[in-house]
Amino acid sequence: AQSVTQLDSHVSVSEGTPVLLRCNYSSSYSPSLFWYVQHPNKGLQLLLKYTSAATLVKGINGFEAEFKKSETSFHLTKPSAHMSDAAEYFCVVSSNDYKLSFGAGTTVTVRA
Amino acid sequence: GAVVSQHPSWVICKSGTSVKIECRSLDFQATTMFWYRQFPKQSLMLMATSNEGSKATYEQGVEKDKFLINHASLTLSTLTVTSAHPEDSSFYICSARGVTGGHGYTFGSGTRLTIV
Repeated sequence: AQSVTQLDSHVSVSEGTPVLLRCNYSSSYSPSLFWYVQHPNKGLQLLLKYTSAATLVKGINGFEAEFKKSETSFHLTKPSAHMSDAAEYFCVVSSNDYKLSFGAGTTVTVRA
Repeated sequence: GAVVSQHPSWVICKSGTSVKIECRSLDFQATTMFWYRQFPKQSLMLMATSNEGSKATYEQGVEKDKFLINHASLTLSTLTVTSAHPEDSSFYICSARGVTGGHGYTFGSGTRLTIV
C-alpha cells in the first residue's frame, strides 16, 4: 500500500520569496510521484513527476522537486513565488495498479 | 499534449433526477479512466476505476448502483449519478491513462454538480 502526507495544510509567502511544500510518502516498492496544482473550480494540472530517473525533477512554471529515498520525501520548491502561484497543491503517489493516492493538499497564498 | 475534455463543467439538477458526466480523451486512447470526487477544501477521493470494455471497479463505500460508470470506447467514459440527492453535490473529476502510459495521467477540468 502507498500513502502520501503533506506536512503543511497552508503555506503563505510573499511575492518574490521562495516556496517550499513538503511531502512524505510511503510505498512498498519504487514509486512514481507527482505534484499537481489546482486552481479554484478547475481540474488538476501536472507540475512535474518522478519516475525513477533523475532525483531532481524540473517542472513547469519554475517548480522543481527532489526525490530523497532515504528520507521518503518529495518536496516541491520554487525560488520566487508569483501571485499566480496561489492555488491548491497536491502530492500524489501511484501504485503498481496505476491508482493514484492523493495527499490532503496544501493551500498556497501569495502576499503582494 | 494529452487532453481530456470533461462535460458539463457545471450542472444544477433537481433532487431525484439523474445526471450524466462525460469525459473524452481527445488525442490519445484511454485504456483506464479514474473517477474522483472532491468535497470543498478536501483532497480527491477515488470513486472507481474503469477499463475499456469491462465493468468498473468501485472503491469501498461507493455505491455502484448510484454511480454508474460506462467506458464503452477508448476515448469516452461516462459517470451517471442516478436519483441524485443534495448530499451527492460535489466536484467530480475524471482522469485518463493512455494505452502505453506514456501520457501519464491526464485530468479533466471537473464538473461542479449541485442538487437542489
